[in-house]
Amino acid sequence: EPEVTQTPSHQVTQMGQEVILRCVPISNHLYFYWYRQILGQKVEFLVSFYNNEISEKSEIFDDQFSVERPDGSNFTLKIRSTKLEDSAMYFCASSERGQGGELFFGEGSRLTVL
Amino acid sequence: AQSVAQPEDQVNVAEGNPLTVKCTYSVSGNPYLFWYVQYPNRGLQFLLKYITGDNLVKGSYGFEAEFNKSQTSFHLKKPSALVSDSALYFCAVRGLGGFKTIFGAGTRLFVKA
Repeated sequence: EPEVTQTPSHQVTQMGQEVILRCVPISNHLYFYWYRQILGQKVEFLVSFYNNEISEKSEIFDDQFSVERPDGSNFTLKIRSTKLEDSAMYFCASSERGQGGELFFGEGSRLTVL
Repeated sequence: AQSVAQPEDQVNVAEGNPLTVKCTYSVSGNPYLFWYVQYPNRGLQFLLKYITGDNLVKGSYGFEAEFNKSQTSFHLKKPSALVSDSALYFCAVRGLGGFKTIFGAGTRLFVKA
């Protein structure tokens, strides 16, 4: 069964450093998303990406964050100048359809900022 | 603006008994509604969705959910709970024309043997 893959599974970084989280969405999916989950609780929307551009973003997704689809398979989230409060589990998701399509999630990348 | 409320942080049920996990939503226009499940240290897995049509939708692992437009609810149900159903359940909504799916705070389900 096709799946969304994320790397790394866990990253530890120092405050102020830049991190890149990588995702390979399901190959025939057209819509891509990043979410984060802090302490195994609420799942927060960060950004959606379609047709090589951001389609929607939340207030969390400020200038510190950026996304990119550098080739036909990868979808990355870059976090510049990390802060302690950026520590969370970051989930990538993809969907085949925009409106009624369900999301397929990766296993997540745990980011720990020290 | 769209929002989802899951009024119960935790639901406890005995194995073999029916279970209900509650969800209410707020969205402009017709909603797309979803349920997802998360097991420890895993990503979210899709269970079922309501797009249009029959108010009772069936999904994976014997789960079903009932869409009630007048009460703006989409409660998750299962006739007979299993210990293996113990997990964190998320209700989610997506508004017409939008790109983001918003999740509720989650309800932890404990099924005791």
